[in-house]
Amino acid sequence: VQLQESGPGLVKPSGTLSLTCVVSGGSISSSYWWTWVRQTPGKGMQWIGEIYYTGITNYNPSLKSRVTISVDKSKKQFSLKLNSVTAADTAVYYCARASAYDAGWYFNLWGRGTLLTVSS
Amino acid sequence: DIQMTQSPSSVSASVGDRVTITCRASQGIKTWLAWYQQTPGQAPKLLISAASTLQDGVPSRFSGSGSGTDFTLTISSLEPEDFTTYFCQQSSSFPYTFGQGTKLEI
Repeated sequence: VQLQESGPGLVKPSGTLSLTCVVSGGSISSSYWWTWVRQTPGKGMQWIGEIYYTGITNYNPSLKSRVTISVDKSKKQFSLKLNSVTAADTAVYYCARASAYDAGWYFNLWGRGTLLTVSS
Repeated sequence: DIQMTQSPSSVSASVGDRVTITCRASQGIKTWLAWYQQTPGQAPKLLISAASTLQDGVPSRFSGSGSGTDFTLTISSLEPEDFTTYFCQQSSSFPYTFGQGTKLEI
């Protein structure tokens, strides 16, 4: 199973960031939470949110007002939209799969990441 | 949010050395903690789940311990491929949070 992110690379301030993650080699309709995480040199890794294949979502409260995560089972992909972006949203964005373990949910599959720059 | 404080932020060591990295949670998280390895340009790799469970295929020189608020990742005898970055993550409560990372340097 592999995950592959895709996106525009550059978004203007106040615009909307849209990223897609394609799940290949496996089913998206399984007992996993499909997740978006971003990483910046200054703030490290930040969990953005997650979606179950049924459409149930959980979001980071710090981003919740600006974030929408959706899933398209027919295309085996899930997507991230982040609106009203600023330079602070410049980051490497990863999609990941969260699996259940004895104690907790952890990310045992990651995409390679895509750099998203917010600039005019 | 639960704050994860990782230390040190960087450490210099040599092949064959034993290294310990620490992660401290701002509140108790039982054993709901993972360790990841991240090599530049590559996807992060899950090394340890539930504080101490080594993932399949991860060399036995890696080990994790701890519960509550204090956790450690130990590499018993460093190999050249181990010189990269490590970070912890808690899944005790939303939002999931990560440590800032520890860069292991030769």
